[in-house]
Amino acid sequence: KNEVEQSPQNLTAQEGEFITINCSYSVGISALHWLQQHPGGGIVSLFMLSSGKKKHGRLIATINIQEKHSSLHITASHPRDSAVYICAVFLPDGLTFGKGTHLIIQP
Amino acid sequence: DGGITQSPKYLFRKEGQNVTLSCEQNLNHDAMYWYRQDPGQGLRLIYYSQIVNDFQKGDIAEGYSVSREKKESFPLTVTSAQKNPTAFYLCASSVNPKNIQYFGAGTRLSVL
Repeated sequence: KNEVEQSPQNLTAQEGEFITINCSYSVGISALHWLQQHPGGGIVSLFMLSSGKKKHGRLIATINIQEKHSSLHITASHPRDSAVYICAVFLPDGLTFGKGTHLIIQP
Repeated sequence: DGGITQSPKYLFRKEGQNVTLSCEQNLNHDAMYWYRQDPGQGLRLIYYSQIVNDFQKGDIAEGYSVSREKKESFPLTVTSAQKNPTAFYLCASSVNPKNIQYFGAGTRLSVL
């Protein structure tokens, strides 16, 4: 069964720092999902990508299918970016989720 | 506004009781999903439905049941057979299983 590993598990940074969250998986996939879970529990879909790079505001997601690796970057981080970021991979039988990276941005 | 609505936000279950979690979407999506989230773990799939009147078991379906009588509704029943129901439950929907999934706000279930 495919494993999805995220790193780091926890990350605390200062406002304005450039943030990188990594996701690695063990088998071939068709696409990958980055999600954001706020303290209240609600989940927002950030990106779905199968190749290259996508950008939305201060968020950038990249994926390297050959290396089975994806990264989520946050530029000019802000306290409102504090959340759990979850990586999920699309397999034929559905999504498999990582355990999430808990990000805290301090003012 | 289009979206997914889960209710209630908090739910308490007594021993031996069945409880039903509601999930409604007005996105006109064919596929709907129920996930369970436990502390320190990734989301796990309970049940999913690709189309009305059809649903499939996920990885942890034991102790749960679902129905899909209408396209916009996918209720989840946590039965008394589920011995450890305390968790955060998330409903999601997508146009089809290969598309981006949109999530509800979740229901937190606790046992009294």
